[in-house]
Amino acid sequence: EAGVAQSPRYKIIEKRQSVAFWCNPISGHATLYWYQQILGQGPKLLIQFQNNGVVDDSQLPKDRFSAERLKGVDSTLKIQPAKLEDSAVYLCASSLDLGEAFFGQGTRLTVV
Amino acid sequence: AQSVTQLGSHVSVSEGALVLLRCNYSSSVPPYLFWYVQYPNQGLQLLLKYTSAATLVKGINGFEAEFKKSETSFHLTKPSAHMSDAAEYFCALGGAGKSTFGDGTTLTVKP
Repeated sequence: EAGVAQSPRYKIIEKRQSVAFWCNPISGHATLYWYQQILGQGPKLLIQFQNNGVVDDSQLPKDRFSAERLKGVDSTLKIQPAKLEDSAVYLCASSLDLGEAFFGQGTRLTVV
Repeated sequence: AQSVTQLGSHVSVSEGALVLLRCNYSSSVPPYLFWYVQYPNQGLQLLLKYTSAATLVKGINGFEAEFKKSETSFHLTKPSAHMSDAAEYFCALGGAGKSTFGDGTTLTVKP
C-alpha cells in the first residue's frame, strides 16, 4: 500500500514570495490533515479535512495560509506571502475517518 | 484546554540500557494518548496508542507505555536500547490524527 505522498521535499523561497505544497493521501482515507512543525517543537495542526470539507481550521493563519482539497483526494497548502517565521516542516497526514493517522515525509520550507 | 509536556528534550542512554521517556498530559475529558517516533527527514510513525482499554500498552519495536490516570502520565519505556532507536519521540493527546503534540524528546543511544 502506498503511503502519503508529499511534494516538494524541500523548498527555499524569499520572504513575501508565495509557495504551494501538495499532498496525496492514502487511497480511501477520508480525513486529511496539514501540520506545521517548527524546529524544536512538536507538530501543530493547521487544518483538517473530512472528504472535501473543512472540519477544523482554527489554527490556520488565514490572512496568508490557504488550503483546499478538491474532489476529496489530493490537497494543496499555500502560503502567500511567506514570512521568515513560516520556515518549518509541513506534514500531511491521512486517516480512515478518525482512525490512526499516517504521515508523509513532509516538506521542509526555508524562508530567507 | 489540552496540553502535553515531555520532560527532558534530550535523553542519552547506553546501548542495552533502559529507555524511559516521560510524558505528562492535561485533559478535561478521558484522553486518547499516543507515542510517535520520527527519524531524520522522515514523517511520524505511530509507536503505540492508548484508547481507554488496557493501561499497559505494547507497541512496535519493543516499546511500551503505561497510562497512569492518578499521575496524568503516559511514559514510554523499552527494556534494552538499540542503536536503531536513536530518533525523536513525540507524545500526543487527543483523537487520532487531530492531536496536541509535545515538543519531543531526542533519544541518543551510545555504543
